[in-house]
Amino acid sequence: AQTVTQSQPEMSVQEAETVTLSCTYDTSESDYYLFWYKQPPSRQMILVIRQEAYKQQNATENRFSVNFQKAAKSFSLKISDSQLGDAAMYFCAYRSGAGGGADGLTFGKGTHLIIQP
Amino acid sequence: DGGITQSPKYLFRKEGQNVTLSCEQNLNHDAMYWYRQDPGQGLRLIYYSQIVNDFQKGDIAEGYSVSREKKESFPLTVTSAQKNPTAFYLCASSIPLPLAGVNEQFFGPGTRLTVL
Repeated sequence: AQTVTQSQPEMSVQEAETVTLSCTYDTSESDYYLFWYKQPPSRQMILVIRQEAYKQQNATENRFSVNFQKAAKSFSLKISDSQLGDAAMYFCAYRSGAGGGADGLTFGKGTHLIIQP
Repeated sequence: DGGITQSPKYLFRKEGQNVTLSCEQNLNHDAMYWYRQDPGQGLRLIYYSQIVNDFQKGDIAEGYSVSREKKESFPLTVTSAQKNPTAFYLCASSIPLPLAGVNEQFFGPGTRLTVL
């Protein structure tokens, strides 16, 4: 079974600065997908960014980018120019590519991101 | 507007009672999922369904049951056999095989269940 580990229960960053959230995973599969989801106080899960394992290029979405190290099984999220609206729980998630990848997501325990004004 | 609705937002039940959580989607997605979230924990998969009239157990299915009679609906029943049912429950849907791949799961707003 796959596991996802987020080693930072809480992180704090000054507004406008850059912060990196860590995620490692364990799998024996070669075909999989990785995601970062954001959960603000409303508790609505919002997709931040996604990465296909077969792509070497790191995904980027505006101020959000990932550092995907497949050999190290690491998938960190970098948030640039942090804004107050970025304050939330951030979850790293894994999705198997076997059978088309419809088996559900495996989540880490999350990192609580605090933005200091 | 397309999306996923869950009702009710808050639910209170007495210990020993079964309770059913509603999940409806109008995104025309074939695959639907139920997750449980506890404080300090990530989401854990309870059940999922890839097509109508078919569903599979997730990691923590004990004490739960589901049905999938319609594409749009995937209700979750929390039975009296679930030892610790108080939690936040999230429903999700996604495009299934063979397009699932990198496509995201869309989540509903969740239901907070409290067993007294």
